[in-house]
Amino acid sequence: DAGVIQSPRHEVTEMGQEVTLRCKPISGHNSLFWYRQTMMRGLELLIYFNNNVPIDDSGMPEDRFSAKMPNASFSTLKIQPSEPRDSAVYFCAISLADRYNEQFFGPGTRLTVL
Amino acid sequence: AQSVTQPDIHITVSEGASLELRCNYSYGATPYLFWYVQSPGQGLQLLLKYFSGDTLVQGIKGFEAEFKRSQSSFNLRKPSVHWSDAAEYFCAVGGLLTGGGNKLTFGTGTQLKVEL
Repeated sequence: DAGVIQSPRHEVTEMGQEVTLRCKPISGHNSLFWYRQTMMRGLELLIYFNNNVPIDDSGMPEDRFSAKMPNASFSTLKIQPSEPRDSAVYFCAISLADRYNEQFFGPGTRLTVL
Repeated sequence: AQSVTQPDIHITVSEGASLELRCNYSYGATPYLFWYVQSPGQGLQLLLKYFSGDTLVQGIKGFEAEFKRSQSSFNLRKPSVHWSDAAEYFCAVGGLLTGGGNKLTFGTGTQLKVEL
């Protein structure tokens, strides 16, 4: 977990509100991944960046979801407007340039949409 | 398409007993295989990985896994389980992504309970 910082760790919001989840990876990574974990669907890959460029966003469930990586040390996942079914744990993960086959996960953000 | 099956949703073992968690995968080429562990409220921690070479791989916390191509399996084992091993365990298979990196497809997880 020490290599990836996620904030907030917990977020409770009301339906219709905008939610922004943040990820701050350590240096040296070349890829960044956003996952969602629910009881029903398990771990799902939402989007993947390589060298700060979005490569595959086919896992993003709807247009309400968007992700950005403005620089190598910061990424955001935004949900606007949020819905109760978005309640889940969202993980950010990275892979390092010299160990590109391994992924290192952050501690996650637990999102509850009322 | 790649996929992972973990047939056991829950497993309960006594402390000190041996453990084997099953994982079967589907992948069109030589797979990259991983086992991760998730403690409550935590992210996923890598236990071990297989890319090539020796089919028996050692990981952290005394875990090992054996890659069996003929059975498309990558089962996780531990000779003697400790109470602190209670957690959820995920098997994952990896495939190369455009531009490098590794997309992981995860199994649904096996929840391990350890009885004292």
